[in-house]
Amino acid sequence: GDSVTQMEGPVTLSEEAFLTINCTYTATGYPSLFWYVQYPGEGLQLLLKATKADDKGSNKGFEATYRKETTSFHLEKGSVQVSDSAVYFCALIGGTGGFKTIFGAGTRLFVKA
Amino acid sequence: NAGVTQTPKFRVLKTGQSMTLLCAQDMNHEYMYWYRQDPGMGLRLIHYSVGEGTTAKGEVPDGYNVSRLKKQNFLLGLESAAPSQTSVYFCASSSDRVKQPQHFGDGTRLSIL
Repeated sequence: GDSVTQMEGPVTLSEEAFLTINCTYTATGYPSLFWYVQYPGEGLQLLLKATKADDKGSNKGFEATYRKETTSFHLEKGSVQVSDSAVYFCALIGGTGGFKTIFGAGTRLFVKA
Repeated sequence: NAGVTQTPKFRVLKTGQSMTLLCAQDMNHEYMYWYRQDPGMGLRLIHYSVGEGTTAKGEVPDGYNVSRLKKQNFLLGLESAAPSQTSVYFCASSSDRVKQPQHFGDGTRLSIL
């Protein structure tokens, strides 16, 4: 079946550092890919998405490119802030699982001032 | 504000007690989901619904029941609570349009003593 694998956390960075959180997936067909963010005490919020190969999703300085050849959707940000501290989930929909979303395990990010 | 609303936000139960968690969405979404989130386990799908009057089992359905009598509401019931059901529960909804992201509530933190 479909699956999403994320790098294990926690990831600890200093403010203004460059962020990469790796995400790879296994799915049949042409899934859409998402990054969600979860701040403490809150639910998941959609951060960005890409619906086809080579699409780049972007929001709030975060970017991720849908790479079908490497089945990857790595999240990047050029300069992180303390307020970016959260848990980040990579996810896909539209593969074997149909309308159900397949989530990665989440990666916790800590940003130090 | 439009979105997904969960009640209650917190609850402490004794083993063997029953309770119902309520999820309401005002986006006219067809699909609704209940997840539980535990440390190190990511999100696990408990039950889901593809429309009013329908329900289906997810990954971890044992010990839970659900009902979708109205399109906007999705109820999660615990008939006889067990300590293993201590968790944070999230409700989500999505459109039946192809490959749409899910919208999440802020969660219910449930402790079973």
